Amino acid sequence: GAVVSQHPSRVICKSGTSVKIECRSLDFQATTMFWYRQFPKQSLMLMATSNEGSKATYEQGVEKDKFLINHASLTLSTLTVTSAHPEDSSFYICSASPRAGFGGYTFGSGTRLTVV
Amino acid sequence: QQQVKQSPQSLIVQKGGISIINCAYENTAFDYFPWYQQFPGKGPALLIAIRPDVSEKKEGRFTISFNKSAKQFSLHIMDSQPGDSATYFCAASKNDYKLSFGAGTTVTVRA
Repeated sequence: GAVVSQHPSRVICKSGTSVKIECRSLDFQATTMFWYRQFPKQSLMLMATSNEGSKATYEQGVEKDKFLINHASLTLSTLTVTSAHPEDSSFYICSASPRAGFGGYTFGSGTRLTVV
Repeated sequence: QQQVKQSPQSLIVQKGGISIINCAYENTAFDYFPWYQQFPGKGPALLIAIRPDVSEKKEGRFTISFNKSAKQFSLHIMDSQPGDSATYFCAASKNDYKLSFGAGTTVTVRA
């Protein structure tokens, strides 16, 4: 079956530094990847949608200069949280799709980011 | 504004019982309705999904009931087991595009 690998699973960083999270589709080519953020005991909030080779589309209220998304290949998308602050601490999850736009294919295992 | 409303927020069921989670939507353009199961510290995993051209879909102990006229769909977990204890999310999408998630339901199955 389709497998999405997300790395790292946990990361602690100091306030003001940047953190990169990787999302890889292991056995299929991911035309589209979605990045979500989830606070404790809350639902998933879509942050942005990226299609391979084009700029990401960010949801309203998400700062594109703070959350940099790169989808340079059909198997890898990265989310970089720049100049992280404690309020950026959250659970970040990616979702990969083999065809453009399909929103619910396979989710990664998530990354717990803690900014201290 | 949440496009998919989910209830209850939490439920407790005895082992062997039936868990029922309900969702309602407003956007009649939605054409894909999946349910996801999420364990603490993990990403969601697709459980079962339905399209609006059928009223029910069953996979093992999990059944989706879909009422197009009422714009509602529900998940039934039959013979609930302690291993089913998790958070369940309903979702909906249009033209297979990005998902709108419900708020989630925490299910606890007591042995």
